[in-house]
Amino acid sequence: KNQVEQSPQSLIILEGKNCTLQCNYTVSPFSNLRWYKQDTGRGPVSLTIMTFSENTKSNGRYTATLDADTKQSSLHITASQLSDSASYICVVSGNTGTASKLTFGTGTRLQVTL
Amino acid sequence: SAVISQKPSRDICQRGTSLTIQCQVDSQVTMMFWYRQQPGQSLTLIATANQGSEATYESGFVIDKFPISRPNLTFSTLTVSNMSPEDSSIYLCSVVPTGEENTIYFGEGSWLTVV
Repeated sequence: KNQVEQSPQSLIILEGKNCTLQCNYTVSPFSNLRWYKQDTGRGPVSLTIMTFSENTKSNGRYTATLDADTKQSSLHITASQLSDSASYICVVSGNTGTASKLTFGTGTRLQVTL
Repeated sequence: SAVISQKPSRDICQRGTSLTIQCQVDSQVTMMFWYRQQPGQSLTLIATANQGSEATYESGFVIDKFPISRPNLTFSTLTVSNMSPEDSSIYLCSVVPTGEENTIYFGEGSWLTVV
């Protein structure tokens, strides 16, 4: 069964600190892995997308890594800001462009405090 | 890119009533989808909205409960019928823009509370 597991479930950090969120998946076949940021009550917004051959991809203070051999990904947030408080969702696609092949993680809820 | 407008953004609905959610995209898209996100849960695909024909529903979702229309390449509606408190969720429209088949955009969502 295709699954995406994220850890931790929730996280509280001080403003300015770094943090790393984890994503393990068992989706097969694998096409790509996406990280989304979802503010409370809003739709998810794409941060990064990585294919099988990509090991790392950055988007500003967000850096995602992918190890397709171990089926693990991480999202590193540098110098966190209050506006980073949100849920971060890992989504794995088993087939390019086909939404029915997307497997969603339940997300990591990040809270950045003063 | 694609800018997605969903209406309503929030609503409180009476048990037994139906509500239609609209999704308008500012450009033509290859595919349109409807998701549900129950409180504290991950996103679940309800159906793929097919232009000019019946939607393709995922297991556990049926047309009588979630009728969907897609009259053209940029617009779709999802109706939540005969609502119960268990239907309280965020409903999200999602699109794959033409020429960006590896990109999926989500609307802002429609937050429904059934009382």
